[in-house]
Amino acid sequence: AQKITQTQPGMFVQEKEAVTLDCTYDTSDQSYGLFWYKQPSSGEMIFLIYQGSYDEQNATEGRYSLNFQKARKSANLVISASQLGDSAMYFCAMSGYNFNKFYFGSGTKLNVKP
Amino acid sequence: DSGVTQTPKHLITATGQRVTLRCSPRSGDLSVYWYQQSLDQGLQFLIHYYNGEERAKGNILERFSAQQFPDLHSELNLSSLELGDSALYFCASSVGGTWNYEQYFGPGTRLTVT
Repeated sequence: AQKITQTQPGMFVQEKEAVTLDCTYDTSDQSYGLFWYKQPSSGEMIFLIYQGSYDEQNATEGRYSLNFQKARKSANLVISASQLGDSAMYFCAMSGYNFNKFYFGSGTKLNVKP
Repeated sequence: DSGVTQTPKHLITATGQRVTLRCSPRSGDLSVYWYQQSLDQGLQFLIHYYNGEERAKGNILERFSAQQFPDLHSELNLSSLELGDSALYFCASSVGGTWNYEQYFGPGTRLTVT
């Protein structure tokens, strides 16, 4: 069975510091994708970053980077220089090839303190 | 504003009824994805259409159906509604048909079944 695990229900980080949100996954597929989404309190979903299982380089998008460790089956999100606007729920997700399977984790609520 | 529109924003209906949720993708995007977010089930992928054709199915109930029209807008039909169908329903769009394209989410339709 495929599964996404986010073990941190809630986290605090000081403004301007970096923070790592954990995500581990379980799959027997050789080809898969890993995603992170942000959901602010206003409710909209925002796509942050994507990593393919065959990508050798860790994905980066601005202040977001995905720390992909294939052997450990982890796909942690690193947010550098946290901002107050980063306070939100963050969801890790995984897809199988062609989206025939797609699973979300339970989310991590991040609070950025001034 | 992601450029994805969803109507209606809120919907309140009774058990046993049928509703239709509508999604218009960003201009130029060929893919539409539907997701459900509920307190019980968390976030779930429902279905993906690309250029009018169904690409992948997730945890979509048999009571639910969807289609994508020639103008690329999509509708999600929910029938024989149950209390447990109360949820936030998101659609997202992307330019490509595979899972490595960035998705843009609409604001969601909040469905309440009473």
